[in-house]
Amino acid sequence: DGGITQSPKYLFRKEGQNVTLSCEQNLNHDAMYWYRQDPGQGLRLIYYSQIVNDFQKGDIAEGYSVSREKKESFPLTVTSAQKNPTAFYLCASSTLQGTGELFFGEGSRLTVL
Amino acid sequence: GESVGLHLPTLSVQEGDNSIINCAYSNSASDYFIWYKQESGKGPQFIIDIRSNMDKRQGQRVTVLLNKTVKHLSLQIAATQPGDSAVYFCAENIDNYGQNFVFGPGTRLSVLP
Repeated sequence: DGGITQSPKYLFRKEGQNVTLSCEQNLNHDAMYWYRQDPGQGLRLIYYSQIVNDFQKGDIAEGYSVSREKKESFPLTVTSAQKNPTAFYLCASSTLQGTGELFFGEGSRLTVL
Repeated sequence: GESVGLHLPTLSVQEGDNSIINCAYSNSASDYFIWYKQESGKGPQFIIDIRSNMDKRQGQRVTVLLNKTVKHLSLQIAATQPGDSAVYFCAENIDNYGQNFVFGPGTRLSVLP
């Protein structure tokens, strides 16, 4: 089945550690996105990429980094510089043409201890 | 309507009744709208979309209504079932590029037996 796979589903981190969240898609989508979801708030865009080896900051990029070495993969690193990293992280993908509908993964919940 | 903060508005309905979930969007230039369903601990799932050149669109058991005059979107679910219990949120976009979606915080639908 085509879709988006995020891993791990749950992750615990000590303060001061970097962690990397994986996102892989087999939908042949050009664009990929990382969102952060906090209770009672709408999704906020962290980073997005429309093409391999290129990515752009979203609204809340500080303390995060990404790479796009392959079309299928868009990993997100939550660095120690992110002051409030505990959240639910969602990866999404879309085509660049047509409806622009976002397809989401199942999410990764990061908890900083 | 939508709210910000830690607590989502909640709609409780009896199984078999119809549900109406509302969303006030922010940008009068938005021309594409999506309703997503998100079950606890999972990623959002596409339900239905609508473009600004329409004021109504129907799917299976769901109808989306768009009122551009007051920037209001609603999702109607017919014959609500226990499996419909989830958070529903709307997304608006001014073009077909995924990075321009703006998401509402959502409404929690609780279906009572």
